[in-house]
Amino acid sequence: SQELEQSPQSLIVQEGKNLTINCTSSKTLYGLYWYKQKYGEGLIFLMMLQKGGEEKSHEKITAKLDEKKQQSSLHITASQPSHAGIYLCGADINGGATNKLIFGTGTLLAVQP
Amino acid sequence: DAGVTQSPTHLIKTRGQQVTLRCSPKSGHDTVSWYQQALGQGPQFIFQYYEEEERQRGNFPDRFSGHQFPNYSSELNVNALLLGDSALYLCASSRLGGYNSPLHFGNGTRLTVT
Repeated sequence: SQELEQSPQSLIVQEGKNLTINCTSSKTLYGLYWYKQKYGEGLIFLMMLQKGGEEKSHEKITAKLDEKKQQSSLHITASQPSHAGIYLCGADINGGATNKLIFGTGTLLAVQP
Repeated sequence: DAGVTQSPTHLIKTRGQQVTLRCSPKSGHDTVSWYQQALGQGPQFIFQYYEEEERQRGNFPDRFSGHQFPNYSSELNVNALLLGDSALYLCASSRLGGYNSPLHFGNGTRLTVT
């Protein structure tokens, strides 16, 4: 079974709507990372969360980490076509700041104008 | 400030052949990790290099090998290619120490094995 589960697998929203993507780990999280990927391209770093309860925002994207639930959420406010892409959560489950990340299978976001 | 660069961008090989992929890390980074991303999947960790040595390895066979040079650039070699090796190969760099140095990814090399 997948160690990092993302939901939903895909999402279509109207421009201007809010949305949330979830990432749940079956193991203890030592660091949670959110990336965005355009099809066939590399991953663009969005945010990194290290501590339980931590919340970070950048422009219209907010990420939170619930350490007890071993879960993170990514929330986009007032979505725009530029937000379209694949969102991936990555986690260090080995501890020791190894930077050996496992990734979820991604959430494909489409934003309709 | 150049980010992570990978070459080539695309490659087509035949089963049984060998391939070498190249990566230059972001300026200031000393650690290089390689990932394999199959279509519709998240990236899978292959291995990580620091100080020209393999530090960590994922669940990949010995056909996958690598190298890191004194200038921190890296190569990924895959021998005896199989159809299942077709994927996007991503290189990521960071500074050793993890948490305060998130992985920065290149745009990848798309390998097709026929």
